[in-house]
Amino acid sequence: GQQLNQSPQSMFIQEGEDVSMNCTSSSIFNTWLWYKQDPGEGPVLLIALYKAGELTSNGRLTAQFGITRKDSFLNISASIPSDVGIYFCALIAGGTSYGKLTFGQGTILTVHP
Amino acid sequence: DGGITQSPKYLFRKEGQNVTLSCEQNLNHDAMYWYRQDPGQGLRLIYYSQIVNDFQKGDIAEGYSVSREKKESFPLTVTSAQKNPTAFYLCASIGSRGKTGELFFGEGSRLTVL
Repeated sequence: GQQLNQSPQSMFIQEGEDVSMNCTSSSIFNTWLWYKQDPGEGPVLLIALYKAGELTSNGRLTAQFGITRKDSFLNISASIPSDVGIYFCALIAGGTSYGKLTFGQGTILTVHP
Repeated sequence: DGGITQSPKYLFRKEGQNVTLSCEQNLNHDAMYWYRQDPGQGLRLIYYSQIVNDFQKGDIAEGYSVSREKKESFPLTVTSAQKNPTAFYLCASIGSRGKTGELFFGEGSRLTVL
C-alpha cells in the first residue's frame, strides 16, 4: 500500500510557540488532507488541499500542498493549550471511494501553558 | 444533532470470543467505514461500504466481518480469528456532497482483549 511518512512523531512546546509538521509520500497524489484528533475522540478534518502549490489557512492553521505533489506541511501559529492532540496527514487511497484514506503515523502535540 | 454514534465506548473481551461494535449515523450518508488505530500508527482501513447490502475489504480485513442491512448502521464484528484485536476502533461516514476526503468520525470504541 501507499507509504506516508509524517514527522515529527511528537512535539513538546510552550504556549505561544509556532509548530510545523510535514508529510511525504512515495507517489504523486491530487489531494492532501490534515486531520486533528482530540484525546479520546475521533479525528476531525482541519484542512483539505486539492491543488499542487495550494496554500490554505484555517484560523491559526496554515497548510500547503507541495509543488512536487508528494509532500505537504501544516503550521500552527501561536499555539494554545487546546491545540493538544494528534495531527494526521492523509491521502485518498484511490478508487471511487472518497473516504478510503491512507493516514500518516500522526504527530502528537503537547502544549505546556 | 446529526452525527455518528459508536457503542460501547469501552469493551473488554476474553480471548476466543467474538464481539460486535455498533456504529449508527443519522447524517444520511451513503458510505461508511471502519478504521483501526494503534499507538504510534496511523488509522488503517478495515472495511467499507458505499451502499446498503454491499461492502468491501480494506487493508486489514482479516479476522473482521461487517454487515450493511440499513443505511444508518454498519456494525463491525471482531472475531476470534483476529490475532491482535486490542485497539481503538473508529467508524466514519462521508457524504456525496461533502468535501472530498472529509470523513465524519464517531468517538471510537476501545477494545481490550484480556
